[in-house]
Amino acid sequence: AQKITQTQPGMFVQEKEAVTLDCTYDTSDQSYGLFWYKQPSSGEMIFLIYQGSYDEQNATEGRYSLNFQKARKSANLVISASQLGDSAMYFCAMRPFTGGGNKLTFGTGTQLKVEL
Amino acid sequence: DAGVIQSPRHEVTEMGQEVTLRCKPISGHDYLFWYRQTMMRGLELLIYFNNNVPIDDSGMPEDRFSAKMPNASFSTLKIQPSEPRDSAVYFCASSFISRGADTQYFGPGTRLTVL
Repeated sequence: AQKITQTQPGMFVQEKEAVTLDCTYDTSDQSYGLFWYKQPSSGEMIFLIYQGSYDEQNATEGRYSLNFQKARKSANLVISASQLGDSAMYFCAMRPFTGGGNKLTFGTGTQLKVEL
Repeated sequence: DAGVIQSPRHEVTEMGQEVTLRCKPISGHDYLFWYRQTMMRGLELLIYFNNNVPIDDSGMPEDRFSAKMPNASFSTLKIQPSEPRDSAVYFCASSFISRGADTQYFGPGTRLTVL
């Protein structure tokens, strides 16, 4: 079974600063994908970034980057130059590529608040 | 391109009534997922389909829940009879697997309130 742990229930960051949201995972699979989603107060789930377990480079998408440390089983999301619109709940998720079917396992989320 | 479409966006019903939630996946996607989100349990996968065939329904809470996918562009999640504890946001998501990588794209969700 897979498990995702997000230990920060809430985070505050000043506008224009960078922030790191933590995510650790537990799996016995050797091949898997890691995902981050954003859920603003309006409720929709927005895909942000993907990292494959065999990808040698850390994934980046605009202001989002994923700090992937495979040996430590961590996949932290880094948001650079925070904006007020980044205030939202952020979920880390994982899908094994072997066994497990096509199921995403989600963490409990981190509520990010960007302040002026 | 249109994203995943869900209807209705909000549903308020009384206990015992039948509720039907609808989903249109992104065209070309061959996987469709139904999730439920509550404060207590977070995001839970209820069931998912591949090429319109149910693959894993182990997350469906009980027999009151059923899901169908009659064709590649439409799926329903039905609750009969509904109970107050079914109140939640129900998301539909779809994905397409290419070279081992996939991303699930979510619809806007249906907020269900059972009184």
